[in-house]
Amino acid sequence: GNSVTQMEGPVTLSEEAFLTINCTYTATGYPSLFWYVQYPGEGLQLLLKATKADDKGSNKGFEATYRKETTSFHLEKGSVQVSDSAVYFCALSGFPNAGKSTFGDGTTLTVKP
Amino acid sequence: ETGVTQTPRHLVMGMTNKKSLKCEQHLGHNAMYWYKQSAKKPLELMFVYSLEERVENNSVPSRFSPECPNSSHLFLHLHTLQPEDSALYLCASSQEGYNEQFFGPGTRLTVL
Repeated sequence: GNSVTQMEGPVTLSEEAFLTINCTYTATGYPSLFWYVQYPGEGLQLLLKATKADDKGSNKGFEATYRKETTSFHLEKGSVQVSDSAVYFCALSGFPNAGKSTFGDGTTLTVKP
Repeated sequence: ETGVTQTPRHLVMGMTNKKSLKCEQHLGHNAMYWYKQSAKKPLELMFVYSLEERVENNSVPSRFSPECPNSSHLFLHLHTLQPEDSALYLCASSQEGYNEQFFGPGTRLTVL
């Protein structure tokens, strides 16, 4: 079946540091890939997505590239801010479960001033 | 209202109570989901409704009973819960296909 493995946390960085959160997946065919973010006391919200190989999703300074050859979708940001402190989830949606997403376990990021 | 709304946002109940969680989506989607999020545990998918028909029930105890009266509304009826059922319950919706899900803010449930 489909699965998502993401980097274990927690991750603690200083403000303006470079962020990478690794995500690899197992799926049949060509899934869509997503990063969601969950701020304290809130539900998950879509951060970015990519729907085919070599696509780059980007939003709010975050980027991730769909790498089919390495089955990866790593999240990066060049300079994190305190307001980026949150839990980040990698996810995929693909065959045979269109309409149902498979989520990673989440990575907690804390950014210190 | 826009997006996905959930009520109540917080709920405290005793083990013998009966209560319901409500979710409403204003996005025109045709699939809705209930998730359970407990501290230090992965997100757990509980139920999936597609076109108002339940298509998945992930071995959830019968003390949780979902209801989807139409494509915009989803309920989770709760009765005789256990303390270990205390968690954040998230509702989500999506359009069928390989699409992203839109989440509500969740209901923080505490079972005493």
